[in-house]
Amino acid sequence: DGGITQSPKYLFRKEGQNVTLSCEQNLNHDAMYWYRQDPGQGLRLIYYSQIVNDFQKGDIAEGYSVSREKKESFPLTVTSAQKNPTAFYLCASKVDREMNTEAFFGQGTRLTVV
Amino acid sequence: AQSVTQPDIHITVSEGASLELRCNYSYGATPYLFWYVQSPGQGLQLLLKYFSGDTLVQGIKGFEAEFKRSQSSFNLRKPSVHWSDAAEYFCAVGMDTGRRALTFGSGTRLQVQP
Repeated sequence: DGGITQSPKYLFRKEGQNVTLSCEQNLNHDAMYWYRQDPGQGLRLIYYSQIVNDFQKGDIAEGYSVSREKKESFPLTVTSAQKNPTAFYLCASKVDREMNTEAFFGQGTRLTVV
Repeated sequence: AQSVTQPDIHITVSEGASLELRCNYSYGATPYLFWYVQSPGQGLQLLLKYFSGDTLVQGIKGFEAEFKRSQSSFNLRKPSVHWSDAAEYFCAVGMDTGRRALTFGSGTRLQVQP
């Protein structure tokens, strides 16, 4: 089955640690996105990539980093510089960057700082 | 700045009653418009989308939405709500210029009473 896989589903981080969230898609999509979801704030764009080996900052990129070395993979690293990382993180992909194509979402990773 | 507003944070309706969820946007031109649904702890599923043409669009699960340019609105409706419709609903918009990523509203949580 084609789709987007995010792992792990739950992740716990100690303060001061970097953690990496995985996002893999087998849809052959060019564009991929990372969103952060907090209660009452909807989804906010962290980073996006419209093609392999290229990515751009979204609205809340500080404290996060990404890479896009392979078309199917777009991992997100939450660094120790992110002061409030506890949130639900969603990865999405689209066949291309055009807005008339549907975005497909993964099931999310819930990150908790302990 | 571009923005999406969902004025209702939480709505409760009785099963079988009609539903309308509001969405207003602030953009310089007509954007691409979407409604997504999210079950607790899950990713997002596309309900429907509007790009152009007929301003009343039909989606999955019996939902429809109407684009009103004069009011900058894209309200979601369902004539008869089912208990399984309880979820969080997000309005999203995108432009075919610039970064071409979805901007989401803050969401409306729907509860369905028996």
